[in-house]
Amino acid sequence: KNEVEQSPQNLTAQEGEFITINCSYSVGISALHWLQQHPGGGIVSLFMLSSGKKKHGRLIATINIQEKHSSLHITASHPRDSAVYICAVRVFRKVWGAYSGGGADGLTFGKGTHLIIQP
Amino acid sequence: NAGVTQTPKFQVLKTGQSMTLQCAQDMNHEYMSWYRQDPGMGLRLIHYSVGAGITDQGEVPNGYNVSRSTTEDFPLRLLSAAPSQTSVYFCASSYSRSSSSYGYTFGSGTRLTVV
Repeated sequence: KNEVEQSPQNLTAQEGEFITINCSYSVGISALHWLQQHPGGGIVSLFMLSSGKKKHGRLIATINIQEKHSSLHITASHPRDSAVYICAVRVFRKVWGAYSGGGADGLTFGKGTHLIIQP
Repeated sequence: NAGVTQTPKFQVLKTGQSMTLQCAQDMNHEYMSWYRQDPGMGLRLIHYSVGAGITDQGEVPNGYNVSRSTTEDFPLRLLSAAPSQTSVYFCASSYSRSSSSYGYTFGSGTRLTVV
């Protein structure tokens, strides 16, 4: 079972619609990230959350630590919002003492939600 | 412009060839990491570094080597390329491994094809 699950995998909506993308995770985390990847391939960091809610323009991200769930909302969606939205969590697998191999640090990613906004 | 620079953007290799993917950042970030992105798999961590001289393995390290001689640079080496290493590779950096307060900056990616 993946540690990070996103839904839906694909979403097509009309311009102006309110969009919600969900992310659930099964491990303890220190932070959750929402990323955007456009067709050109570049990845942009949208939000980093450890609690509560953040807003930037038409984008809103929320996280519920107890329920291990986060949502990304897009208000008044526009065709330029068409992209893949990726949820990623930062999982610490600490080893007491020195840094050591075997554990995976860094980000663990969901498989992404492919969003298309039609004019 | 400040950010993460990856080179090359595209590369075709023959099976068995070696190459180095370059990654450099000018933001004085301590933490740097390499990911590969494959269809249907999402991004997966290959190797990471928490500072100059310190590297560690991620989820899919086999077939790749890294080193971190300076804070700025974190090259990824393929010693003997295999078709299974055909992928898009991203380098990313952040201020601190242990801090949860900072976001990640990603490079623009390297699309590698091994034939």
